[in-house]
Amino acid sequence: EAGVAQSPRYKIIEKRQSVAFWCNPISGHATLYWYQQILGQGPKLLIQFQNNGVVDDSQLPKDRFSAERLKGVDSTLKIQPAKLEDSAVYLCASSLAGGSEQYFGPGTRLTVT
Amino acid sequence: GENVEQHPSTLSVQEGDSAVIKCTYSDSASNYFPWYKQELGKGPQLIIDIRSNVGEKKDQRIAVTLNKTAKHFSLHITETQPEDSAVYFCAASEGSDGNKLVFGAGTILRVKS
Repeated sequence: EAGVAQSPRYKIIEKRQSVAFWCNPISGHATLYWYQQILGQGPKLLIQFQNNGVVDDSQLPKDRFSAERLKGVDSTLKIQPAKLEDSAVYLCASSLAGGSEQYFGPGTRLTVT
Repeated sequence: GENVEQHPSTLSVQEGDSAVIKCTYSDSASNYFPWYKQELGKGPQLIIDIRSNVGEKKDQRIAVTLNKTAKHFSLHITETQPEDSAVYFCAASEGSDGNKLVFGAGTILRVKS
């Protein structure tokens, strides 16, 4: 069974530029999560989707971050404009349903200069 | 909201010895406690989890124990091997629906051969 796929794996941008990340969850998984992992810390949930609806986006900085999950499968996370403090690994995870085991992708390492 | 504390931050053991990592949580409604292993450049990998109706769970060399009264849970790795070297994260669900995971800060485990 294929795991969670993410791209790109690495991205370097200058502050105030925009960037987008893509995630393809495990087939059949209804729930998709985006996490931010700052170096030396545990992952922090940014947004959770159930199919194509948002379940929780309470920790998403909505003035600069946006995410969508069209058709309830793939998802994109966008940052516009980026700040230096956005440098982190952005992880996508999926689960069969909310409350069940979450499986993570390899992440996208973002460096903002 | 949920707060998860993890100790120690680093742990060095000799190959063949046991390793124990401990976590405490604050939300008495939490009912799901997974452990993840993260290797350099990879996403977190689920290694074992426990739900609140169980006090202990074992899978080969790894085990997790849960004390709901004291609100703490622990990961035990026996007969450690060099390939166990990684960062380990505990997590606890926020609330009883198990949807949102709050992660600890991580433990760097080094197994010396």
